[in-house]
Parts: sequence; C-alpha cells; structure tokens
Amino acid sequence: NAGVMQNPRHLVRRRGQEARLRCSPMKGHSHVYWYRQLPEEGLKFMVYLQKENIIDESGMPKERFSAEFPKEGPSILRIQQVVRGDSAAYFCASSRGLAGYQETQYFGPGTRLLVL
Amino acid sequence: ELKVEQNPLFLSMQEGKNYTIYCNYSTTSDRLYWYRQDPGKSLESLFVLLSNGAVKQEGRLMASLDTKARLSTLHITAAVHDLSATYFCAVGDSNYQLIWGAGTKLIIKP
Repeated sequence: NAGVMQNPRHLVRRRGQEARLRCSPMKGHSHVYWYRQLPEEGLKFMVYLQKENIIDESGMPKERFSAEFPKEGPSILRIQQVVRGDSAAYFCASSRGLAGYQETQYFGPGTRLLVL
Repeated sequence: ELKVEQNPLFLSMQEGKNYTIYCNYSTTSDRLYWYRQDPGKSLESLFVLLSNGAVKQEGRLMASLDTKARLSTLHITAAVHDLSATYFCAVGDSNYQLIWGAGTKLIIKP
C-alpha cells in the first residue's frame, strides 16, 4: 500500500514563473491537506480538500495560490508568479475520514520549492 | 485562537540519558499528535492522544496527555543516536485543522 506521493520532490523556479505541486493521497483516502513549512519552523495549514471540493482554504494566501483535487488524478497546489518568499517545503497529507474526527493524517515526502 | 508551544526548541543530550519534551496548548482540544521529522524528510506519525490521562509508549518514547493542564509530554528513555530528529506536536482545533508547535530539534551524542 503506497503512501502519500508527491512530485516533484525538488522544484526550482525563477521569480515570476509558475509552480505546480502534485499530491496523490494514500489508497482509500479522500481527504487531502496542504501545509507549508519554512526552515526551522512548524507546519502551517494552507488548504483542505475533498474530491472536487475545497472545504477550507483559510490558510492559503488569497493572491497567486490555488488548489484543486479533481475527480480523477492528483491534488494540485498551484503558485503563480512565484516570489522568493514562496521558497519553502510544501507537504501534502491525506486521511481516510475527516481529520476532525480524530483521524491521523499521513504525510507525503514534501516538495522543496526554491525560488531564485 | 489555538496556540501551541513546544519547549525546549533545541536539545542536545548524551546517549543513555532521559529527557522530556513539553507541548502546551492554549484552548481545549480533543486530540493531540506527535510527529517525527528527519532532516529533509517527511513527517512520521508517532502517537495520537485522544483523552485525558492517555499514555502511549513505543520503544524508548512515551507520550502522555493532560487535557486539564493542556499539556502533553514526550519522554525519551535511555536515548540512542537513532532518535536524533525534530519532534513536533500538533493539536486539533475545533474543526479539523492541526495547529503545530515549532518543533524540538533533538541531537543525541554518542
């Protein structure tokens, strides 16, 4: 049973380019969460999605960031017109049920984004 | 607003010693998680604590939860080098978000 998969593992972009980060949840999991981690810090919640629905995007910047989880295929976190401050590790997690009901979230390996 | 504080943020210790990492949180929660992260790696779930007085143990690690004090501890017994990592606690808020501590970077010297 494969775990949460993310790709790419490392991504280098120049300022102004777009970054697309992909996340495939664990088999049987329909809830996906995206987090951002700055160096030497804990994780910050960005967005929570179920298939075809954004449930909570309160942690995601209003500008330049978007997320989707289509019926088929992985969840995508998209960052347009990247800036140096976007450099961070982006983690995706999935759970079988709603995490508010004490489900454990399982994390992918992360995508390390570096903006030059 | 739920806030989570861990201390210490950095801990260097000798193999064979015991130590405790503390996680305080500011408002009521019904779930607390401990995760481990190795440098450049993802987060590995260690413990889920769901009720007052809950205690869980895995090898040399033991986690406990006191919901009245809003405090969880992660106790390391007879530390070994392989336990060197950063340890995070995360607390569930009233919905489904996890609010994370800043992490405790643990270095265990031979």
